[in-house]
Amino acid sequence: DVKVTQSSRYLVKRTGEKVFLECVQDMDHENMFWYRQDPGLGLRLIYFSYDVKMKEKGDIPEGYSVSREKKERFSLILESASTNQTSMYLCASSPSVGAGFFGSGTQLSVL
Amino acid sequence: SQQGEEDPQALSIQEGENATMNCSYKTSINNLQWYRQNSGRGLVHLILIRSNEREKHSGRLRVTLDTSKKSSSLLITASRAADTASYFCATDARTDKLIFGTGTRLQVFP
Repeated sequence: DVKVTQSSRYLVKRTGEKVFLECVQDMDHENMFWYRQDPGLGLRLIYFSYDVKMKEKGDIPEGYSVSREKKERFSLILESASTNQTSMYLCASSPSVGAGFFGSGTQLSVL
Repeated sequence: SQQGEEDPQALSIQEGENATMNCSYKTSINNLQWYRQNSGRGLVHLILIRSNEREKHSGRLRVTLDTSKKSSSLLITASRAADTASYFCATDARTDKLIFGTGTRLQVFP
């Protein structure tokens, strides 16, 4: 069974903390994505990676960075968490021009 | 910027009825995909339609694509209470990036 695994289902952090969200896929997919989902706004793309060490900004990259040192792992980093980054974070992977597979999501609360 | 926009935002129907959701997008695409999301969970891929295809079926799902109008529709026939979920379209804008719309919340009453 294909899998995209996000390291945490729920996470609570304090303002100013550095936060790491990890995502691992076991399908050897080239593409990996980080989205955030907020009520009424749908899924918004934060960052996209199409290969190891390659990344591209999405629509809302401010306040975030990413790391893809290995093909199977794509990390989202909040350098200094703020309350407006409280959200559901969804990781996905896909082959080139193909269906996306999603993790279960991480609900992050920044207090 | 949001590439896709679903319509309606919310839809309530009775079991057995058909549900139709529409998606409009802005730029040329290689393919368009539909996903389903149960409350608080990740998205599940339903169907992919390529830009050179006009219609595709998968079980009770029927997807159409009109590239001249930059629009797609998802039809769920003979709906069931278990179809209650949010449905999203996603387009690739001729890249590998998947850009999603804001979704349609479907409620199917028993």
